Amino acid sequence: KNEVEQSPQNLTAQEGEFITINCSYSVGISALHWLQQHPGGGIVSLFMLSSGKKKHGRLIATINIQEKHSSLHITASHPRDSAVYICAVRDAGGTSYGKLTFGQGTILTVHP
Amino acid sequence: KAGVTQTPRYLIKTRGQQVTLSCSPISGHRSVSWYQQTPGQGLQFLFEYFSETQRNKGNFPGRFSGRQFSNSRSEMNVSTLELGDSALYLCASSDTGASYEQYFGPGTRLTVT
Repeated sequence: KNEVEQSPQNLTAQEGEFITINCSYSVGISALHWLQQHPGGGIVSLFMLSSGKKKHGRLIATINIQEKHSSLHITASHPRDSAVYICAVRDAGGTSYGKLTFGQGTILTVHP
Repeated sequence: KAGVTQTPRYLIKTRGQQVTLSCSPISGHRSVSWYQQTPGQGLQFLFEYFSETQRNKGNFPGRFSGRQFSNSRSEMNVSTLELGDSALYLCASSDTGASYEQYFGPGTRLTVT
């Protein structure tokens, strides 16, 4: 079993729909990242969470440390949101450094 | 500020050769992390350097090595290339460490034939 599991693996939506991508992990963590990767490879960091909820524009990320679960929500989805969304966790090593473990990614396609 | 740059962007090598990839972090960032991305394994952590010291490493064979220079630029080297080393190699920089927000470079696409 992978340490980081994302669901769904593939997601297709119509423009304007509300989208949720889930991430579950099995280890104690000190931080969780949500990343976005467009075709061609470039990766952008969307959020870094250690507790609670963060919002940036139409994107919302939440984390429940006790349940070892995080969600990424996209409100009013748009075709430009089409990308791969990747969840990554850093284990609770107690330091500011450490390796990230990645989920397998969720491929999101938003149709006009 | 300029973003993270990686050179070269594309590279084709033959099995058994070695390769060196370069990463220049955002000015002022002292942490550089390297990742390998393949269709089968996804993104995997290779190693992190901070102030010229390797602080953490992933589960890769010793053929994969790296270093960081005093100006924070980093290189990674893969010796005795295998077909399975074909991948997108990404580096990311952070002002503090890998657990903080990371800024990714565009990657180097390595093909081993």
